[in-house]
Amino acid sequence: DVKVTQSSRYLVKRTGEKVFLECVQDMDHENMFWYRQDPGLGLRLIYFSYDVKMKEKGDIPEGYSVSREKKERFSLILESASTNQTSMYLCASSGGPGYTFGSGTRLTVV
Amino acid sequence: AQKVTQAQTEISVVEKEDVTLDCVYETRDTTYYLFWYKQPPSGELVFLIRRNSFDEQNEISGRYSWNFQKSTSSFNFTITASQVVDSAVYFCALSDASNDYKLSFGAGTTVTVRA
Repeated sequence: DVKVTQSSRYLVKRTGEKVFLECVQDMDHENMFWYRQDPGLGLRLIYFSYDVKMKEKGDIPEGYSVSREKKERFSLILESASTNQTSMYLCASSGGPGYTFGSGTRLTVV
Repeated sequence: AQKVTQAQTEISVVEKEDVTLDCVYETRDTTYYLFWYKQPPSGELVFLIRRNSFDEQNEISGRYSWNFQKSTSSFNFTITASQVVDSAVYFCALSDASNDYKLSFGAGTTVTVRA
């Protein structure tokens, strides 16, 4: 089975901190994605990557950056965490139409 | 632009009732894919089905069935004889060539099945 692993299930960070959310997939997929999930808004794409060192902005990239130094790892970075970034963050990978998701990281910024 | 609308925010049923989740989509592409995902309380999105735009055949998998109608741009999902374990948030999603096959999700429908 394809596995997408997100390093933390729950995180609590302080306003202004730099936050790293890590995601690793084990199926050699080219494409990886970071989504944010908020009630009533569904999943919104933050950034995606279709190859190592390649990245593209999604629908809501402001306040975020990403890093993909290796094919299997895609990191989401909150440069200076703010309370409006409190959310569920979902990583996904894809080798074609359709995604496999990680379990999510619930981030609370206080 | 592609868009997915799930008009039902929450549905609550009693066990053994049937429940239908609506999904309406918009796309300019003739080639596209539609998906349903389930998100149980544990949080991980679980893939349920993928349908391509050239296959309008309805599908049944156990207690789950899907009705794809291009004429109305809808891809509805029915759970027959619901069970408590069906309680989850269900997302409909669309990917098309003009958007590099990125997934666009609806807002989700929360289904609560009461014993």
